[in-house]
Amino acid sequence: ETGVTQTPRHLVMGMTNKKSLKCEQHLGHNAMYWYKQSAKKPLELMFVYSLEERVENNSVPSRFSPECPNSSHLFLHLHTLQPEDSALYLCASSQERRKPQHFGDGTRLSIL
Amino acid sequence: GEDVEQSLFLSVREGDSSVINCTYTDSSSTYLYWYKQEPGAGLQLLTYIFSNMDMKQDQRLTVLLNKKDKHLSLRIADTQTGDSAIYFCAESPGGGADGLTFGKGTHLIIQP
Repeated sequence: ETGVTQTPRHLVMGMTNKKSLKCEQHLGHNAMYWYKQSAKKPLELMFVYSLEERVENNSVPSRFSPECPNSSHLFLHLHTLQPEDSALYLCASSQERRKPQHFGDGTRLSIL
Repeated sequence: GEDVEQSLFLSVREGDSSVINCTYTDSSSTYLYWYKQEPGAGLQLLTYIFSNMDMKQDQRLTVLLNKKDKHLSLRIADTQTGDSAIYFCAESPGGGADGLTFGKGTHLIIQP
């Protein structure tokens, strides 16, 4: 139990579907992150939120849309995804920016 | 640019010590991390070291940092079958960036 919970654990969707990934942290942290883990590539940072404000967006395609309604919850809204978007999406949180990050177990996303 | 390098595989016998090595390029890194990922799971924060330290020990884990050579190592004493996993080295880049820069991970294989 890491204190960071992601749902669903697995998601299969077609390219025209719209779905959302959810992340919830129970650690009282102020910063939250989305990462993408693809086979044979290092983890890639997608988005960073601090105190519910987006502070970093690493040139992620607009078909990925994050939302952070409060410091405990983070969403990643997905629409019109491509097969190359199939990956493990990991959420992390930290006490504040640039402090050690704690990860959830991820959502395994498969695009048909 | 930022780059974190580590060997892809390490094979050790049960009961021996494992040493996983990592090199990084950003001399202004603040924290350096070791994460563990078991099959089907997210990243577990194993340990981290602040850049002004040379060594950190935590039970069976010893982290050594050579800042001059930008070299980080993780030693696992008395390696057990439960240590079988992928180990990721990561750094907090300097310059105010929020995300961690990860290596591609080292698969630790335990021989009976």
